[in-house]
Amino acid sequence: DQQVKQNSPSLSVQEGRISILNCDYTNSMFDYFLWYKKYPAEGPTFLISISSIKDKNEDGRFTVFLNKSAKHLSLHIVPSQPGDSAVYFCAASEVVGNQFYFGTGTSLTVIP
Amino acid sequence: NAGVTQTPKFQVLKTGQSMTLQCAQDMNHEYMSWYRQDPGMGLRLIHYSVGAGITDQGEVPNGYNVSRSTTEDFPLRLLSAAPSQTSVYFCASGGINRDSVFFGEGSRLTVL
Repeated sequence: DQQVKQNSPSLSVQEGRISILNCDYTNSMFDYFLWYKKYPAEGPTFLISISSIKDKNEDGRFTVFLNKSAKHLSLHIVPSQPGDSAVYFCAASEVVGNQFYFGTGTSLTVIP
Repeated sequence: NAGVTQTPKFQVLKTGQSMTLQCAQDMNHEYMSWYRQDPGMGLRLIHYSVGAGITDQGEVPNGYNVSRSTTEDFPLRLLSAAPSQTSVYFCASGGINRDSVFFGEGSRLTVL
């Protein structure tokens, strides 16, 4: 059973607007959450993370929000740029070890 | 700076054949892992290792073997390939910091 879920397979946004990508999880043992970005024919690359002791982490145009009670996190990209067009994976990690459980990905298209 | 190197990038096998996907990292990372990416499934963990001589199973280990004789190398073996193992395989390595996990570029395997 999928422990990390991304229910939107795709998202299209106009350049300059906000992109919001969502992720839900079921395992209460997850204590660290990450977003990865993936271009075609490349491996995923780390984007931003958040620990379960926080509810927000910001890095430039990227902000991740964590709602532990709802077991939900989201990635906000403001402003969106065409170079942000990629597949975004949400991942979660348990307390021990850094093996990750990934969501199915959301393909973001930023329209110029 | 090589990072995580996977070989081969592409491989076609017949059902029942065996092969090894190679993964090497030059960052002296303790953690290494193998994932497979399938359409609609995201990345799923196959096997992982927390150091030389130590390996463990992930979400989808059946049909795969691994070993970790050195810190640098973490090969993934398919002893008898099946069409269900057609996928893109990613190797990853990381240190203690869970943000510092790096992925290889992927190996696309087709089993006929």
